[in-house]
Amino acid sequence: DQQVKQNSPSLSVQEGRISILNCDYTNSMFDYFLWYKKYPAEGPTFLISISSIKDKNEDGRFTVFLNKSAKHLSLHIVPSQPGDSAVYFCAASGDNNAGNMLTFGGGTRLMVKP
Amino acid sequence: ETGVTQTPRHLVMGMTNKKSLKCEQHLGHNAMYWYKQSAKKPLELMFVYNFKEQTENNSVPSRFSPECPNSSHLFLHLHTLQPEDSALYLCASSPGAYNSPLHFGNGTRLTVT
Repeated sequence: DQQVKQNSPSLSVQEGRISILNCDYTNSMFDYFLWYKKYPAEGPTFLISISSIKDKNEDGRFTVFLNKSAKHLSLHIVPSQPGDSAVYFCAASGDNNAGNMLTFGGGTRLMVKP
Repeated sequence: ETGVTQTPRHLVMGMTNKKSLKCEQHLGHNAMYWYKQSAKKPLELMFVYNFKEQTENNSVPSRFSPECPNSSHLFLHLHTLQPEDSALYLCASSPGAYNSPLHFGNGTRLTVT
């Protein structure tokens, strides 16, 4: 029973275009959402987060959108660069009282073609 | 340099062996975590320590035994593992405050033969 789902296992985008990665969740108690990027042979690296009191958070080329009614969040990367090629994980927390127990989605592999 | 260092990077062990994974964080964080990533599965939380106290054990079998001697160090002791325990084991740390991101190490790739 996956509470956080990334339904697209992979995505291919041309350099310079927009990459949109999607994530759905089922637990209405989640109120903090994060995106991580992972290169092969490395651990996940934190990219950007959003609290449920917001619907958008932007950091440079990365923007996360949150639609609470649809229990959906997305990560927009624009413009996409070849160095963005990696596996992207969304994660969520909020249904616990022990702080930061993140529940992860299965990941989406992004390939940015030069 | 991620600020969270895991050793060894790779480990091959037999089912009767005893081994330990080590994690050290240099970020001044108060919480440390073990996650497991199996092939084609999401990262699964195993254990959480806040200020050296275990606050979460996510139904992990007793053949995995964590130890947190201080806020900077975390171990995962392995004993009598099964081949299906082969996975990437990731350590993470966080300030411990709610709504703060986790910082991950590069993981230990474990193969149980």
